[in-house]
Amino acid sequence: DAKTTQPPSMDCAEGRAANLPCNHSTISGNEYVYWYRQIHSQGPQYIIHGLKNNETNEMASLIITEDRKSSTLILPHATLRDTAVYYCIVLNTGTASKLTFGTGTRLQVTL
Amino acid sequence: EADIYQTPRYLVIGTGKKITLECSQTMGHDKMYWYQQDPGMELHLIHYSYGVNSTEKGDLSSESTVSRIRTEHFPLTLESARPSHTSQYLCASSVGWYTEAFFGQGTRLTVV
Repeated sequence: DAKTTQPPSMDCAEGRAANLPCNHSTISGNEYVYWYRQIHSQGPQYIIHGLKNNETNEMASLIITEDRKSSTLILPHATLRDTAVYYCIVLNTGTASKLTFGTGTRLQVTL
Repeated sequence: EADIYQTPRYLVIGTGKKITLECSQTMGHDKMYWYQQDPGMELHLIHYSYGVNSTEKGDLSSESTVSRIRTEHFPLTLESARPSHTSQYLCASSVGWYTEAFFGQGTRLTVV
């Protein structure tokens, strides 16, 4: 599975958009980009995933660059409850990919 | 709401005791996982399962063992608990390897 790189921490003002970047420059053609978040010490929560097209759901939007080497998770109107560690993960569909987590980005939403 | 349950939520136990952490899911998922996480630290995959009678070790070496006799049940056992086993243990399941994974609430284990 491709390795991902994320900034260790970010701040965002409540009500503003939070843009969380992820670099996955070694991603291959059959690998999806997944985003999860972990609030405090709860179990991680799935947010969104995509292959090459931009995706949107009720929680967030995922923008994947045309060369697929990086992506951005967008929380359009961050709230205090969005304070969490956000994980960008690349998973291979062709083999038994294991869901493994890196260090993620710790997003702090402030008043 | 995901139907995956872990018991107990909290456990304090003495050194040398045998313990089993329970994880059950009612979604019929084939893939199940156990993770270990110390406070403020990374989640580490310690065990996973493809399905019934299949178990594999994860990326982090663990003295725990797992079994998968039924699809819905994936218990984790420590034969002789030690203080170094103090951690949070999280269980998860998914339909496939690259589909959404659902996590339980976790078991916070303290070995004294």
